[in-house]
Amino acid sequence: GQNIDQPTEMTATEGAIVQINCTYQTSGFNGLFWYQQHAGEAPTFLSYNVLDGLEEKGRFSSFLSRSKGYSYLLLKELQMKDSASYLCAPMDSNYQLIWGAGTKLIIKP
Amino acid sequence: IAGITQAPTSQILAAGRRMTLRCTQDMRHNAMYWYRQDLGLGLRLIHYSNTAGTTGKGEVPDGYSVSRANTDDFPLTLASAVPSQTSVYFCASSDEASGGAVDTQYFGPGTRLTVL
Repeated sequence: GQNIDQPTEMTATEGAIVQINCTYQTSGFNGLFWYQQHAGEAPTFLSYNVLDGLEEKGRFSSFLSRSKGYSYLLLKELQMKDSASYLCAPMDSNYQLIWGAGTKLIIKP
Repeated sequence: IAGITQAPTSQILAAGRRMTLRCTQDMRHNAMYWYRQDLGLGLRLIHYSNTAGTTGKGEVPDGYSVSRANTDDFPLTLASAVPSQTSVYFCASSDEASGGAVDTQYFGPGTRLTVL
């Protein structure tokens, strides 16, 4: 079956770095998306990886290892506004997104 | 303003009633999707549409129906609401049709539905 595993909740300090891990099993693979979702709001696109390696976009970076079925989202210089849920979503062979339950990130001053 | 709109923002509904959630996008995207989001679970796909005139079933289609008469609108109907349909419903769209290519999905603001 298809499965996504990511931590339920993480806490980090303002200004620090945090890494949110995601492991996945899907029927086929067409890349992996990360979305950010603030409480009570819609998910918004952060990143997409289809090849192995690190993609950097400002304070956010995303890494993919297809052979290990593993991805992580790295957030640097954390700000209070980064408090949100982060959703890992690989795309299967039918181009359907398979969504994890998300990691709630709490930023403390 | 380009994007996706959903209506209503929230609704309390008596069990057994019929309800249509509206979704409109002005980005001329081919594909549209309906998801439900429940606490502790990932987004689950209810129905999707690759292009105007076509629809498909997602992971949890029972109790829901959709139509896609034109590019912009993708309403979701609950024929006879039940309490287990209490959820937050998100509509999304993407430029490329699912099943054909990879493209980013963009989400509407959601509808919070409570069925009593």
